[in-house]
Amino acid sequence: SQQGEEDPQALSIQEGENATMNCSYKTSINNLQWYRQNSGRGLVHLILIRSNEREKHSGRLRVTLDTSKKSSSLLITASRAADTASYFCATAWLTGGGNKLTFGTGTQLKVEL
Amino acid sequence: NAGVTQTPKFRVLKTGQSMTLLCAQDMNHEYMYWYRQDPGMGLRLIHYSVGEGTTAKGEVPDGYNVSRLKKQNFLLGLESAAPSQTSVYFCASMLGREPYEQYFGPGTRLTVT
Repeated sequence: SQQGEEDPQALSIQEGENATMNCSYKTSINNLQWYRQNSGRGLVHLILIRSNEREKHSGRLRVTLDTSKKSSSLLITASRAADTASYFCATAWLTGGGNKLTFGTGTQLKVEL
Repeated sequence: NAGVTQTPKFRVLKTGQSMTLLCAQDMNHEYMYWYRQDPGMGLRLIHYSVGEGTTAKGEVPDGYNVSRLKKQNFLLGLESAAPSQTSVYFCASMLGREPYEQYFGPGTRLTVT
């Protein structure tokens, strides 16, 4: 079953605006990751935040994690047309299979010029 | 480095036919994964491997078999294809057991008629 649920399912903004996507999950996790998928391509890792971290930055990306609410958010600042893609959160826990990921259904972001 | 590569990129099968999807990685990663992606479903784990000679079932393993005879290769087989296996298949690899990110291949689009 899907662990993560992204919200909204689709988001359309103008270039230069900020984009915020949310992810909620159901069970305890070791870490949470965000991936980007351009149309027809494979997923690309964006950022990993561990369960004992509350916030993490990478360039124009800011991720927060609230384990008490079982939720995470991804903020993309000063968006560009090239940011148009689907964004997935993936919850992870360590098992014999390593860092096994369970993906949500994704948020489709469209950045218009 | 080529990263993670998948062959073929596209394939059309008739119900009952068999085929093998090949995943190769040149990053010396220990862990490898096969996912399927269906519209509105996110990615679901089919099988995975924690090292050469090992395989294990994921969330949706029925109808698929895998083998990891060499560390760099992970094969996904469909013995008797069904229309329900129409999907995009992604392979991923990961360095080791710790919370690392996964590296994805470009995908194989499979249609079963």
